[in-house]
Amino acid sequence: ETGVTQSPTHLIKTRGQQVTLRCSSQSGHNTVSWYQQALGQGPQFIFQYYREEENGRGNFPPRFSGLQFPNYSSELNVNALELDDSALYLCASSYMGSSTGELFFGEGSRLTVL
Amino acid sequence: GENVEQHPSTLSVQEGDSAVIKCTYSDSASNYFPWYKQELGKRPQLIIDIRSNVGEKKDQRIAVTLNKTAKHFSLHITETQPEDSAVYFCAAKADTGRRALTFGSGTRLQVQP
Repeated sequence: ETGVTQSPTHLIKTRGQQVTLRCSSQSGHNTVSWYQQALGQGPQFIFQYYREEENGRGNFPPRFSGLQFPNYSSELNVNALELDDSALYLCASSYMGSSTGELFFGEGSRLTVL
Repeated sequence: GENVEQHPSTLSVQEGDSAVIKCTYSDSASNYFPWYKQELGKRPQLIIDIRSNVGEKKDQRIAVTLNKTAKHFSLHITETQPEDSAVYFCAAKADTGRRALTFGSGTRLQVQP
């Protein structure tokens, strides 16, 4: 059983640029969620994908968008990067229909915006 | 939406002592309460969870209690060890609506040898 993998692990961008982060979900999981974790804070929910559609979104602007592919992998896209977008972006997979919906996190992609 | 508050933000204990971390939540629809441990530079990892139909759950040195009426839940770690040092996050989720985890702000636990 493979775990959740994310790429890239680290990246540096400048204000105004765009970034794409990638996530492969754990085997057998059909749901992917993305969280933003700023330094010293808890993860904040960005959105969730199930059956290739967004089925839940947190308080993030539209410049945060995503995709889920038929193999359940996912992308997070952020346009017009701002300094405050600097954070650890965590992908988590789960199985919709499990009794708990336990999330399994990847190691994250650390984004620095200069 | 859901709001989860967590206290304390930092906690230092001597090895062998107990540690208690407390969280409160606002949404009465929340029914799943996991606790995650995050070591420096690592992913959050689930250490224990509880559903709202249970008041207490224990796994070796770790236990979680839930008071639905008061909307608070707590993590108890007994016989702490240096490897317990990490940041701990509580979270809450409902089975309806957004179905996303809402996390607390975290507690940095330092176990002194």
